[in-house]
Amino acid sequence: NAGVMQNPRHLVRRRGQEARLRCSPMKGHSHVYWYRQLPEEGLKFMVYLQKENIIDESGMPKERFSAEFPKEGPSILRIQQVVRGDSAAYFCASSPRTVQETQYFGPGTRLLVL
Amino acid sequence: EDKVVQSPLSLVVHEGDTVTLNCSYEVTNFRSLLWYKQEKKAPTFLFMLTSSGIEKKSGRLSSILDKKELFSILNITATQTGDSAVYLCAGAYNNNDMRFGAGTRLTVKP
Repeated sequence: NAGVMQNPRHLVRRRGQEARLRCSPMKGHSHVYWYRQLPEEGLKFMVYLQKENIIDESGMPKERFSAEFPKEGPSILRIQQVVRGDSAAYFCASSPRTVQETQYFGPGTRLLVL
Repeated sequence: EDKVVQSPLSLVVHEGDTVTLNCSYEVTNFRSLLWYKQEKKAPTFLFMLTSSGIEKKSGRLSSILDKKELFSILNITATQTGDSAVYLCAGAYNNNDMRFGAGTRLTVKP
């Protein structure tokens, strides 16, 4: 059973470009969580999604950030018009059902904005 | 391939018990090992260990790293129901890349 997969592992963008981060949950998992880790800081919750639904996006910046988890395909975290402050590691986790279940983390995507 | 393995995957104890959670790692360009406690949303940071043999303590929690044997343990003494959570171990390598273990789910019964 493959673990949570994220791609790309490293992404370089120039200011103003768009960044798309993908997360494929573990097989059988229907819940996905996105976290951001800023340098020297802990993980910060961004958004919690179920297939085709956003359950909790309280940690998501109101502008430029969006997330989706379509019926088919990976979950996507999209950052429009990236700025240098968006540079961080973005981790995705998945769980079988609810937020009370153990979350399995992917290897992360490191975004660098030049 | 880099990997972090935690054991046990789940553990049920009674209040007052002492527990030891294990984390072994195989991470290239290892920098540090981190422990997190996850209850609801984002995992909360517990410890970061970079040097072998130096115990870090915070209240009833303590942790130590063995870089020769590539493992770390997290001890919780006099457990309380509020300690019930998933405890995550992560190996940090390269330039702040991280690899998480699968976690240990601890349940503390009254």
